[in-house]
Amino acid sequence: AQTVTQSQPEMSVQEAETVTLSCTYDTSENNYYLFWYKQPPSRQMILVIRQEAYKQQNATENRFSVNFQKAAKSFSLKISDSQLGDTAMYFCASAANAGNMLTFGGGTRLMVKP
Amino acid sequence: GAGVSQSPRYKVAKRGQDVALRCDPISGHVSLFWYQQALGQGPEFLTYFQNEAQLDKSGLPSDRFFAERPEGSVSTLKIQRTQQEDSAVYLCASSLEVETEAFFGQGTRLTVV
Repeated sequence: AQTVTQSQPEMSVQEAETVTLSCTYDTSENNYYLFWYKQPPSRQMILVIRQEAYKQQNATENRFSVNFQKAAKSFSLKISDSQLGDTAMYFCASAANAGNMLTFGGGTRLMVKP
Repeated sequence: GAGVSQSPRYKVAKRGQDVALRCDPISGHVSLFWYQQALGQGPEFLTYFQNEAQLDKSGLPSDRFFAERPEGSVSTLKIQRTQQEDSAVYLCASSLEVETEAFFGQGTRLTVV
């Protein structure tokens, strides 16, 4: 079984600044994947970044990067140079092995202020 | 198609009514997933298909929930005798294979009154 916890219900950041969203997880799997998804008001989940647990190097995608601490079971998302379009709900998720049967956290609402 | 399409976008049902929610995955995608997202919460896994085979239905909350994908493409999630606690957004996702990126639809918001 897997659990994912996001301890920050809401966050705000000024445009162009950097913000970090927290996520912790628990799993009994040896091989697993971690994800960050963005959900704007349109409700469509958009994949932001994906990390394979066996890879030590932190994943990066343009302005988005993660800090993956495997021993601590922590997977935080850093958004650099925040833009107004980054305003959305952000969900951390995990999946056993390579599958897409995702376990989601409760989400963090991010507001980027002009 | 260009993306995962779900219909209807919104559905209001009277308690006790049966509903059917449709998901059109991206053409050629083998894997299809259904999730339930209650208001203010993260999505929860309901069921998974590989082609027409339903390989995992462990997340279906009761026997009132039934999903099918008879030809390995379009999928329908059916809820019988709807209850107020069924009110949620139902999300569908598809992927080329089970281990590749899943693409989500915009969901169906079901409100049971």
